[in-house]
Amino acid sequence: GDSVTQMEGPVTLSEEAFLTINCTYTATGYPSLFWYVQYPGEGLQLLLKATKADDKGSNKGFEATYRKETTSFHLEKGSVQVSDSAVYFCALSGGGSYIPTFGRGTSLIVHP
Amino acid sequence: NAGVTQTPKFQVLKTGQSMTLQCAQDMNHNSMYWYRQDPGMGLRLIYYSASEGTTDKGEVPNGYNVSRLNKREFSLRLESAAPSQTSVYFCASRDRFVTEAFFGQGTRLTVV
Repeated sequence: GDSVTQMEGPVTLSEEAFLTINCTYTATGYPSLFWYVQYPGEGLQLLLKATKADDKGSNKGFEATYRKETTSFHLEKGSVQVSDSAVYFCALSGGGSYIPTFGRGTSLIVHP
Repeated sequence: NAGVTQTPKFQVLKTGQSMTLQCAQDMNHNSMYWYRQDPGMGLRLIYYSASEGTTDKGEVPNGYNVSRLNKREFSLRLESAAPSQTSVYFCASRDRFVTEAFFGQGTRLTVV
């Protein structure tokens, strides 16, 4: 079945540091890929998405590129802020199944 | 737009008690999902409903039942709560033509 693997956290950074959170996937067909963000005490909300190979999703300074050859969708941000502290989930849907499949989440902690 | 609304937001149950978690969406989505979130485990699918009138088991269905009451509402029932069901429960919905899922704010359930 479909699966998503993302790097374990927590990831701890200083403000203005560069962020990378790795995500790889296994799926049949051609899934859409997503990054969701969860702030403390809240539900998940979509951060960005890409629906086909080589697409780049971007939002709020975050970016991720759909790499079919490496089955990856790594999340990056050039300069993180304290307000980016949250849990980030990589996800896919629409490959072999229409059920959204999530990674385990990566906690990001940004210090001033 | 309300999006996906879950009730209640918090609940404490005694072992053996029953309760129903309610979920409603106002986006006319076909598919709805119940997940539970536990530390280090990410999101695990309990049950889903691909369309009105259908429900199917997910990864961790034991101890739960669901009802797709109509296109808007998808409820999750715990017949006899156990401490292992202490978790945060999320309802989500998705339209077949829009690939991302939309989440409620979650229900934080403690079983003592």
